[in-house]
Amino acid sequence: DQQVKQNSPSLSVQEGRISILNCDYTNSMFDYFLWYKKYPAEGPTFLISISSIKDKNEDGRFTVFLNKSAKHLSLHIVPSQPGDSAVYFCAARGAGSYQLTFGKGTKLSVIP
Amino acid sequence: DAGVIQSPRHEVTEMGQEVTLRCKPISGHDYLFWYRQTMMRGLELLIYFNNNVPIDDSGMPEDRFSAKMPNASFSTLKIQPSEPRDSAVYFCASKQGAANRRNTIYFGEGSWLTVV
Repeated sequence: DQQVKQNSPSLSVQEGRISILNCDYTNSMFDYFLWYKKYPAEGPTFLISISSIKDKNEDGRFTVFLNKSAKHLSLHIVPSQPGDSAVYFCAARGAGSYQLTFGKGTKLSVIP
Repeated sequence: DAGVIQSPRHEVTEMGQEVTLRCKPISGHDYLFWYRQTMMRGLELLIYFNNNVPIDDSGMPEDRFSAKMPNASFSTLKIQPSEPRDSAVYFCASKQGAANRRNTIYFGEGSWLTVV
């Protein structure tokens, strides 16, 4: 049973527009959430994170929103750029744990 | 720093053969993780070590899989005997634990395994 779900396997967005990637989780013990970005033939790299005590974290063009009651988080990229084209993984970690649980990823394609 | 280094980058082997994947974590990192990525299941944690000691191996799929960390700078993931369903990308990752549990984990570039 997947505890972290990314229901959209792919997303296409026009350059300059907003990209919204969604992630749902089922484990209420998760208290820290991360987004990783992965290019082909490379390992995932950390992008942005959010603690469960916050509902928003912003870093440049990237903003992560957390809705704890809905067990939902989203990553917004504004404006989207062709270099953002990659697979984005949502990950979550429980209190007291070092273990990350990943979603299956969403492939973002930003069209010039 | 060179980052997490994995070898081999690509491996094609015949069913039944032994496969050994290697990992050198980032110097100073005391946690090491082995993940497997497949189309069907995404990224799954297989096992992780803290200070060279295996902490949680509940993700290891079968007894055919084993992992060791003989010292702070080296780990292996072994599959014996290998099967076609083991074909996947295997990632090693490391992080610095210490007092900050929220330190980022850093991934290697992965080892692409194909078992034919």
